[in-house]
Amino acid sequence: EPEVTQTPSHQVTQMGQEVILRCVPISNHLYFYWYRQILGQKVEFLVSFYNNEISEKSEIFDDQFSVERPDGSNFTLKIRSTKLEDSAMYFCASRGVGSPLHFGNGTRLTVT
Amino acid sequence: DQQVKQNSPSLSVQEGRISILNCDYTNSMFDYFLWYKKYPAEGPTFLISISSIKDKNEDGRFTVFLNKSAKHLSLHIVPSQPGDSAVYFCAVQGAQKLVFGQGTRLTINP
Repeated sequence: EPEVTQTPSHQVTQMGQEVILRCVPISNHLYFYWYRQILGQKVEFLVSFYNNEISEKSEIFDDQFSVERPDGSNFTLKIRSTKLEDSAMYFCASRGVGSPLHFGNGTRLTVT
Repeated sequence: DQQVKQNSPSLSVQEGRISILNCDYTNSMFDYFLWYKKYPAEGPTFLISISSIKDKNEDGRFTVFLNKSAKHLSLHIVPSQPGDSAVYFCAVQGAQKLVFGQGTRLTINP
């Protein structure tokens, strides 16, 4: 069964550094998402992306965050200047038309 | 912004018995509801869904019930198995995103 893949599985970075989290969505999917889960809290929506543009973003997704689909297969989340409170599991998800979201296994981001 | 609430953070059930997980939502405009299951170190996995035109959807051991007047949905697992031990999230489909509840950790005891 096709799956969403995310790399790296764990990223450690220093406060103020830039990080890029990478995702390869399922190949025939058209809608792409990033969610995050801070330890012990709920899974929170960050951003949705369709037709090469952001369709919705949450208030968490401020100017420090950006997303890109640089080619036909990758979908990336960039955090320009990481803060301690950005430490979380970041999940990429994708879906086709009329189908539920399929999630990757996440990238654990630790900001020190 | 508590659009979706799962009021039980944990639930413990004996193997073979029924597990019932509950979820409440606030916005009567929501029309599609889902349950996801999450194991440690993995992403959420889709389990079952229901649209607002139905009040029940069944898939094997899993049944989701929707009570629109009460804005309540529940997931029944019967019989419960040890492999069902996980965190279960209910979610509602908004215009461009899923909104998740806080999750319920289900533990199936042998």
